[in-house]
Amino acid sequence: GIQVEQSPPDLILQEGANSTLRCNFSDSVNNLQWFHQNPWGQLINLFYIPSGTKQNGRLSATTVATERYSLLYISSSQTTDSGVYFCAVEVNTGFQKLVFGTGTRLLVSP
Amino acid sequence: DAGVIQSPRHEVTEMGQEVTLRCKPISGHNSLFWYRQTMMRGLELLIYFNNNVPIDDSGMPEDRFSAKMPNASFSTLKIQPSEPRDSAVYFCASSYLVGELFFGEGSRLTVL
Repeated sequence: GIQVEQSPPDLILQEGANSTLRCNFSDSVNNLQWFHQNPWGQLINLFYIPSGTKQNGRLSATTVATERYSLLYISSSQTTDSGVYFCAVEVNTGFQKLVFGTGTRLLVSP
Repeated sequence: DAGVIQSPRHEVTEMGQEVTLRCKPISGHNSLFWYRQTMMRGLELLIYFNNNVPIDDSGMPEDRFSAKMPNASFSTLKIQPSEPRDSAVYFCASSYLVGELFFGEGSRLTVL
């Protein structure tokens, strides 16, 4: 099956710093989504981004489907950005089957 | 909209007991998913419904697990009998067509 790898696995930042999270996938996909799981366990959809670039406040994402990777940028990080960031790719099975990566655990310290 | 609603938020039960988890998807969404999250295996898709019909249940661990969606606004995931290795957080999620996926807050299950 498709492999979804995220890097780095862990990241510690000082508040205000910028960071880039990467998601590599091993096969062509129909779409890609980024999620944030906060320290309370809630999973929040950040981006639905099969290709191109999107921005939402301090977050932006870029997917280059032809090269099988996606990047999530966090600028001016805040303590509330802490948690685990997952990318999930939709494989071409004829329905919306998302395969999740193992996540990047982010800790933003004040 | 209130989002995807799951109940109970926490469940502690003893091995061998029946467990029923409930989910109300976002109104208008036609796809519903049950996921399980553990430290060892991460997020796993258990079953997917489209227009209330189960499309893929290949992720259901074994016959002890069953899921139903009797109508567009309600789904259940049942474990009978439960075992300690079933302890996990169970998430329900919904989407419209193949769009953004929205998760509920999860049901944390502990089987003693």
